[in-house]
Amino acid sequence: RKEVEQDPGPFNVPEGATVAFNCTYSNSASQSFFWYRQDCRKEPKLLMSVYSSGNEDGRFTAQLNRASQYISLLIRDSKLSDSATYLCVVNPRNAGNMLTFGGGTRLMVKP
Amino acid sequence: DVKVTQSSRYLVKRTGEKVFLECVQDMDHENMFWYRQDPGLGLRLIYFSYDVKMKEKGDIPEGYSVSREKKERFSLILESASTSQTSMYLCASSFAAGRNTGELFFGEGSRLTVL
Repeated sequence: RKEVEQDPGPFNVPEGATVAFNCTYSNSASQSFFWYRQDCRKEPKLLMSVYSSGNEDGRFTAQLNRASQYISLLIRDSKLSDSATYLCVVNPRNAGNMLTFGGGTRLMVKP
Repeated sequence: DVKVTQSSRYLVKRTGEKVFLECVQDMDHENMFWYRQDPGLGLRLIYFSYDVKMKEKGDIPEGYSVSREKKERFSLILESASTSQTSMYLCASSFAAGRNTGELFFGEGSRLTVL
């Protein structure tokens, strides 16, 4: 079993739609969680951290469910510019340095 | 802005050649990383360095070595390239634990093709 698993997609949604991605992780001792965004042929960049209490940044909401060991990302009012691959990232050892990346979920927002 | 610069965007090498991938960061970060990214497998950590001359193996270190002689520079070495090492290689840097928010800053990547 992979440490961090994501549905690879693609998720094809129209502009203005709400879309949600889930990610599951295997190490119950994991403490830190993140969503990164990677545009086509570009490097990954931090989108947002995921806190136990949830985290909202504009149209983006991230939530953590420790009991079920999954993380979610909700995007409201999708824009064309949201088209990208979204990477779920976990620190499974809580070492502060070694992050484990999921395979990514590809989102395509269409006019 | 943090800048992580990788020396080559595209390389084509032959099986058995020695390959050097260079990475330089300008933010005085303690940590530096080398990942490879392959379709369906995501990013996998090859090696990690938390200080000059210090290194730790990641998840897939076989066939690779690294060098960190200066804080700002982290090199990935393929002693004898194989076709299975054809991939996108991404360098990243971050602050040490304690100042680390979990954010890695990546370079633009080096796409290596081994023939």
